[in-house]
Amino acid sequence: DVKVTQSSRYLVKRTGEKVFLECVQDMDHENMFWYRQDPGLGLRLIYFSYDVKMKEKGDIPEGYSVSREKKERFSLILESASTNQTSMYLCAIPADRGALKYGYTFGSGTRLTVV
Amino acid sequence: GDSVTQMEGPVTLSEEAFLTINCTYTATGYPSLFWYVQYPGEGLQLLLKATKADDKGSNKGFEATYRKETTSFHLEKGSVQVSDSAVYFCALTSGGYQKVTFGTGTKLQVIP
Repeated sequence: DVKVTQSSRYLVKRTGEKVFLECVQDMDHENMFWYRQDPGLGLRLIYFSYDVKMKEKGDIPEGYSVSREKKERFSLILESASTNQTSMYLCAIPADRGALKYGYTFGSGTRLTVV
Repeated sequence: GDSVTQMEGPVTLSEEAFLTINCTYTATGYPSLFWYVQYPGEGLQLLLKATKADDKGSNKGFEATYRKETTSFHLEKGSVQVSDSAVYFCALTSGGYQKVTFGTGTKLQVIP
């Protein structure tokens, strides 16, 4: 089975802290994605990466950055956490044969609360 | 740009009732269409998919048919169970398959 592992299920951070969310995949895929999920808004793409050290902005990149130093690991960074970044964060990779045509496999999510 | 519109919830049904959750889309080219399910406290799981017009995706008793003429991909199940209570997301990918676009989700609650 494909595994996408997010390091924390629940996280509480203070306003202004630098926050790292980690995602690790075991499928050797080039593509990895970060989304945030909010009630009534569905899932919105923050950043994605097509290869090591390569990144592309999604629909809502403001306030976030990413790091992809190794193929299996894709990190989402909140440079200075704010309360409006309280959300569920989901990491994803292509579900099948490395192509998005077949959908995503998601990690179990990190619920981040910024106080 | 691409977009997905799905019916607002919550939808509350009695066990063994028939389920329909409507989904329509706007996309360039020939999208692939998906339904995802999210159980409480978990991430999203791919429920079913259809990659071309008239395809029917099915899984766990759920079905959806890719209707290009009506740009729709409605989710159906003949007899829901309490264990089907979850949030359901309709989604698509197209235009070079760079990303997946999601609807806002429909919460389903099935009561015994």
